[in-house]
Amino acid sequence: AQTVTQSQPEMSVQEAETVTLSCTYDTSENNYYLFWYKQPPSRQMILVIRQEAYKQQNATENRFSVNFQKAAKSFSLKISDSQLGDTAMYFCAFMKPYNNNDMRFGAGTRLTVKP
Amino acid sequence: DVKVTQSSRYLVKRTGEKVFLECVQDMDHENMFWYRQDPGLGLRLIYFSYDVKMKEKGDIPEGYSVSREKKERFSLILESASTNQTSMYLCASSLGWGLSYNSPLHFGNGTRLTVT
Repeated sequence: AQTVTQSQPEMSVQEAETVTLSCTYDTSENNYYLFWYKQPPSRQMILVIRQEAYKQQNATENRFSVNFQKAAKSFSLKISDSQLGDTAMYFCAFMKPYNNNDMRFGAGTRLTVKP
Repeated sequence: DVKVTQSSRYLVKRTGEKVFLECVQDMDHENMFWYRQDPGLGLRLIYFSYDVKMKEKGDIPEGYSVSREKKERFSLILESASTNQTSMYLCASSLGWGLSYNSPLHFGNGTRLTVT
């Protein structure tokens, strides 16, 4: 079974600075999908960014970007110009293609952005 | 925007009670999911439904059942609540049959259930 590990239970960053959240995963698959979800204090989880394993180019969504290292099975999230609204739990998730119900989540990293 | 609504934000129930958690989505999504979120464990799938009256077990179905009588509504049932079912419960939906890269999960705001 695939496992997803987020080794940083909590992190903090000053407003306007850059922070990187780590995620590693374990799989024998060659093709798969990776996601970062954000859960703010309002609790509603929203998709931040996603990456297909066969694409070498790292995904970017505005201030959010990933560093995808396939050989190392690493999928870190970089948040640039951190804002107070980025304060949230962040979950890394792994999914195999053609699997209709199996998305594996990491334990989460609680990020606090300080003014 | 897709809206997934969970009927209760907080619930407190007694051990042995039958508990219903309701979830409604308004975007005609085929798939609906119930996850349980616990500190240090992330999200774990309890049950999944890809069509009306269809359901599949996830990783931790023991002690739970589900009902999907209408496409927009997916209910999680705790037949006899126990203290180890105290947790945050998240409902989600997605378009199409099964999860896909192009159809991400849309989550509700969660129900924090306490069983005493």
